[in-house]
Amino acid sequence: DIQLTQSPSFLSASVGDRVTITCRASEDISSYLAWYQQKPGKVPKFLIYAASTVQSGVPSRFSGSGSGTEFTLTVSSLQPEDFATYYCQQLSNYPYSFGQGTTLDIK
Amino acid sequence: QVQLQESGPGLVKTSETLSLTCGVSGYSIGRGAYWAWIRRAPGKGLEWIGSIYHTGSTYYNPSLESRLKITIDTSKNQFSLNLSSVTAADTAVYYCSRGDPFDYWGQGTLVTVSS
Repeated sequence: DIQLTQSPSFLSASVGDRVTITCRASEDISSYLAWYQQKPGKVPKFLIYAASTVQSGVPSRFSGSGSGTEFTLTVSSLQPEDFATYYCQQLSNYPYSFGQGTTLDIK
Repeated sequence: QVQLQESGPGLVKTSETLSLTCGVSGYSIGRGAYWAWIRRAPGKGLEWIGSIYHTGSTYYNPSLESRLKITIDTSKNQFSLNLSSVTAADTAVYYCSRGDPFDYWGQGTLVTVSS
């Protein structure tokens, strides 16, 4: 089974900061990676697929990159609504798996 | 607009079977696509439970496979989850979603397992 490890697990930042979250896969998953955002008590929101393709309607400050085993999610200029937990997910092989999550909170 | 809605009991007794249904509107599930169940236990992250294709082919999380059954009913435009022999560890918010990746999600339903 493919394991995904996100780093950091917790991140404090300020509005306007540029932040990067890393997701590492235990084996090569090509570009079969998606990112989701979840706020407390809310439904996860689909952000990025195929490692770097931003879903329609997602602000352009979100971007993704990587392939193989290392991936990143970058928020270029944090807005108040971006403070949430972020998950990566691999779609390369069943069983699908999620990273453990990265909680981004306000410094 | 694709919409999904979970339904089912919010409380299940230990050792019994958890049953949930996901109704889909705005998209005919018989057209194609994968359909998934995902959960989030209190204080934990997202966990993929399993997926079903419109043809009925299923893919399960090995950690749940022995207790799990996912079915699809294209005539009712819905799919269902049955998880047997539940314990407190199965207490979670359960989401249904259109996969692959998970672009549309239901609102989620909290299922509590208690004796």
